[in-house]
Amino acid sequence: ETGVTQSPTHLIKTRGQQVTLRCSSQSGHNTVSWYQQALGQGPQFIFQYYREEENGRGNFPPRFSGLQFPNYSSELNVNALELDDSALYLCASSQPGTPEWFGPGTRLLVL
Amino acid sequence: GESVGLHLPTLSVQEGDNSIINCAYSNSASDYFIWYKQESGKGPQFIIDIRSNMDKRQGQRVTVLLNKTVKHLSLQIAATQPGDSAVYFCAGSRYGNQFYFGTGTSLTVIP
Repeated sequence: ETGVTQSPTHLIKTRGQQVTLRCSSQSGHNTVSWYQQALGQGPQFIFQYYREEENGRGNFPPRFSGLQFPNYSSELNVNALELDDSALYLCASSQPGTPEWFGPGTRLLVL
Repeated sequence: GESVGLHLPTLSVQEGDNSIINCAYSNSASDYFIWYKQESGKGPQFIIDIRSNMDKRQGQRVTVLLNKTVKHLSLQIAATQPGDSAVYFCAGSRYGNQFYFGTGTSLTVIP
């Protein structure tokens, strides 16, 4: 088990709604990355935060946004939810240039 | 852009045999690679990593080989056990951030 925690574990929303997912990083880690994992696929990089600043973004639209707090915990916000946003959302924490340690994920279902 | 792909979506091996899982990457600038194991309902778990200045790295029962000439890496698991059954992902990055994952190989160990 890593020290990365995520909440909630499961979530059901309807199209057009907004959702906020939360992640607490492992102690000593100042970098948090978010990934989307569709069923049967590998994780897809959404964005990364380093010391409260966005430090890279994958091919996701602006309705995916995030925050990192002074204690290095992080939030992922998704606006105007679409059916295709249904997925497992993974948070990973690290020190720069070291392995990312993943949390258990939040499973989001959009109806 | 970066892409990482795994050669076989599924692999079945007899308990006690050695397993080899392969992965190819497209970006020759990638300099850091990680193998992850993902069990059903869990987040990816770090297995082993390798940097581009190395060709081989060994861990407990696992070995990663990196061939930069053909942009290929492999994960070898010695004496495969039932607990090794999972989906295995390779992930590549440049400078250790923005990891790109392959689609995964599902390993089944036959008792």
